[in-house]
Amino acid sequence: GQQLNQSPQSMFIQEGEDVSMNCTSSSIFNTWLWYKQDPGEGPVLLIALYKAGELTSNGRLTAQFGITRKDSFLNISASIPSDVGIYFCAGQGGANSKLTFGKGITLSVRP
Amino acid sequence: NAGVTQTPKFQVLKTGQSMTLQCAQDMNHNSMYWYRQDPGMGLRLIYYSASEGTTDKGEVPNGYNVSRLNKREFSLRLESAAPSQTSVYFCASRYTSGWGVDTQYFGPGTRLTVL
Repeated sequence: GQQLNQSPQSMFIQEGEDVSMNCTSSSIFNTWLWYKQDPGEGPVLLIALYKAGELTSNGRLTAQFGITRKDSFLNISASIPSDVGIYFCAGQGGANSKLTFGKGITLSVRP
Repeated sequence: NAGVTQTPKFQVLKTGQSMTLQCAQDMNHNSMYWYRQDPGMGLRLIYYSASEGTTDKGEVPNGYNVSRLNKREFSLRLESAAPSQTSVYFCASRYTSGWGVDTQYFGPGTRLTVL
């Protein structure tokens, strides 16, 4: 089946640093979604990407839909302590297909 | 507009007990999903409902049943709970438009412990 690869499993950065995470697949996706999950909460949608090459920003977050349609990245600039959480990527192959999730990257931000 | 709501938020069961997890969405979405989240395993799909009146198995359906009661509500039932079903359960609903928008929204989760 389809799989999304996110690595490493954990990242540790200093407050104020930028961080980049990527998500890769052996399959093509038509939609890429990035979620953040705070401890004890459900995943919250951060950014949705629908077109190869698309670059979308949401505040300090920027995400891109890879040209090959097999990858996406999320960049967080000037990190702050509340950026701590698990970041999931998810891909959808089409209107009738289910979401495929990566296993998530746990981000820690040192003050 | 509450989005996706789930009840209960926490539950402790003994092995063999049954219970139903409730989920409702007020966004008029057609598709709804149940996932479980376990450490190191990510989100795994249990069952989904592409539209009112239909349900299908996901990746890990054994030990669960679902009911799509109406467009708003999608419940997950554990008939005879087992310790392996200790997990965090998330409900989600999906919005697709005719012009390519396709997003999925999650509820806050139910934390279930089976002793």
